[in-house]
Amino acid sequence: NAGVTQTPKFQVLKTGQSMTLQCAQDMNHNSMYWYRQDPGMGLRLIYYSASEGTTDKGEVPNGYNVSRLNKREFSLRLESAAPSQTSVYFCASSESRSQPQHFGDGTRLSIL
Amino acid sequence: DQQVKQNSPSLSVQEGRISILNCDYTNSMFDYFLWYKKYPAEGPTFLISISSIKDKNEDGRFTVFLNKSAKHLSLHIVPSQPGDSAVYFCAVTTSGTYKYIFGTGTRLKVLA
Repeated sequence: NAGVTQTPKFQVLKTGQSMTLQCAQDMNHNSMYWYRQDPGMGLRLIYYSASEGTTDKGEVPNGYNVSRLNKREFSLRLESAAPSQTSVYFCASSESRSQPQHFGDGTRLSIL
Repeated sequence: DQQVKQNSPSLSVQEGRISILNCDYTNSMFDYFLWYKKYPAEGPTFLISISSIKDKNEDGRFTVFLNKSAKHLSLHIVPSQPGDSAVYFCAVTTSGTYKYIFGTGTRLKVLA
């Protein structure tokens, strides 16, 4: 009963390197989300995908790209990592809008 | 400008007593409210929700209260147990959208 699986769990990058964070859900949910969590702040929405084939910007999309590969998978890409992108990244999914979101355990990303 | 505020960063409660966690929001357009619990190194877990047509929702030891006129949300845990020790986030949204706004969290410690 995996739910939402994120890989990797930890990653250290150098400034300027690229990286793709992977997310997969096995609950047959239509909608998927990427958040970042920084100290002293709540989770902030980076991008979301309402359904397979669609993606939209959230609150803090700059410096990121996403791909909804299929109904199960939603990836987040950092093309040129910056120290300001050091954060914990969470992927989530929900059956539809305005439904509770189910979260993965996060990817802790450090950019030096 | 924070649209959702959890003004108490931390709270300590004796086992068996009531824990009350608070959340304030600014926009009266929000009409769906949720509470999540987060343990270290794990993703947030959905706990309980309430829509704006209600002022109370109960699920076992957890009750959420909504005061629309005050734009205030609270979570009551009775009785509190040591396993409830976690960070609690409130989240708000407007029906029909995919965007949730999270508070900064309150760290609850239940003392045995």
